[in-house]
Amino acid sequence: RKEVEQDPGPFNVPEGATVAFNCTYSNSASQSFFWYRQDCRKEPKLLMSVYSSGNEDGRFTAQLNRASQYISLLIRDSKLSDSATYLCVVNRGSSSASKIIFGSGTRLSIRP
Amino acid sequence: NAGVTQTPKFQVLKTGQSMTLQCAQDMNHNSMYWYRQDPGMGLRLIYYSASEGTTDKGEVPNGYNVSRLNKREFSLRLESAAPSQTSVYFCASKLGASNQPQHFGDGTRLSIL
Repeated sequence: RKEVEQDPGPFNVPEGATVAFNCTYSNSASQSFFWYRQDCRKEPKLLMSVYSSGNEDGRFTAQLNRASQYISLLIRDSKLSDSATYLCVVNRGSSSASKIIFGSGTRLSIRP
Repeated sequence: NAGVTQTPKFQVLKTGQSMTLQCAQDMNHNSMYWYRQDPGMGLRLIYYSASEGTTDKGEVPNGYNVSRLNKREFSLRLESAAPSQTSVYFCASKLGASNQPQHFGDGTRLSIL
């Protein structure tokens, strides 16, 4: 079992819809969490950090559930430009890179 | 506003050739990383440098070497390129604190013939 797991998708939703992804992690020592987006053949870009109390940035809401060991990303009023792969990143709490774990990503496609 | 800069952006090599991928960051970050990403796959860590003067192996280090030249620069070297090393290579950096995110360069697309 992978330490960080994501549904690979693809999620194909109409413009304006609300879509949500989950990401599960297996190591309870994980301390910090992030969502990145990656466009085709481009570098990953930080979308948002995920805080314990949950946080919102415009149309995007991130939640953390430590008890069930998952994080979620909700996108409201989806736009065509939201089409991308969304990567879940978990940091097991050290500056050592070997404890930064990337999920394989969830593909999202927004249709007109 | 450069952030993380990688050179070159594209490279084609023949099997057995060597080359060095360059990465530099201007954000005064302590930690730097090299990843590879194959088509349809996730990122895999090759090597990292938690701080200036240190380097460590990641998940897939075989066939690569690295040098943390100074705080700004972290290079990746392929001594004898193989077709299996055809990939997109990303460099990333971050502050040392665990709750800080990584910032990525825009990648080097490397083909080995």
